[in-house]
Amino acid sequence: QVQLVQSGAEVKKPGASVKVSCKASGYTFTYHTMNWVRQAPGQGLEWMGWINAGNGNTRYSQNFQGRVTITVDTSATTTYMELSSLRAEDTTVYYCARDLGLPGPAFDSWGQGTLVSVSS
Amino acid sequence: QSALTQPASVSGSPGQSITISCTGSSSDVGSYNPVSWYQQHPGKAPKLIIYEGKNRPSGLSSRFSGSRSGNTASLTISGLQAEDEAEYYCCAYAGRSIVIFGGGTKVTVL
Repeated sequence: QVQLVQSGAEVKKPGASVKVSCKASGYTFTYHTMNWVRQAPGQGLEWMGWINAGNGNTRYSQNFQGRVTITVDTSATTTYMELSSLRAEDTTVYYCARDLGLPGPAFDSWGQGTLVSVSS
Repeated sequence: QSALTQPASVSGSPGQSITISCTGSSSDVGSYNPVSWYQQHPGKAPKLIIYEGKNRPSGLSSRFSGSRSGNTASLTISGLQAEDEAEYYCCAYAGRSIVIFGGGTKVTVL
């Protein structure tokens, strides 16, 4: 079955960068786009961007103004989300989510989430 | 891109039906971009419950159904059960493969 396993919780200082990984298994990795979504405590879902695991094409939310970079290692069936210039409001849970590749967004499998805490 | 608009909360008694609206614009929900819906229980990852506007993943209860009219998509939960108490989010493309979510709706089973 499809599984997405994310890296563990991180604690970072303001201004630093964080890189979260998402290891996929149970399906043909390069056939699907992987999205990254974050959720602040008690808040809603916020889409960050996606990567086409087959060709490496990416699309990012303007809300992150160039601070986010999503990459892929097809040999390791792993995608990475790096967020730079961290600030306190980046303290959230980050999820990876596989897209089914239909005309509309359809995130059928999600990672368990990675808590990133930003504090001086 | 602006978030899709959902009511903050909806409640109903066991066995009743409730409907959650998701209002966007002609650039997203109204542009025939299919909407998906997610259910999230506290401390858990979201779960896909409706995709392509009205399709349910395999094994999901038929009590969940989706529809669209103009710039508004809707999720209906019929035969409300205690385990349906959760947060629900709609999701759509807002052009050029940019994804937007609704603000979320908390469903309370009275």
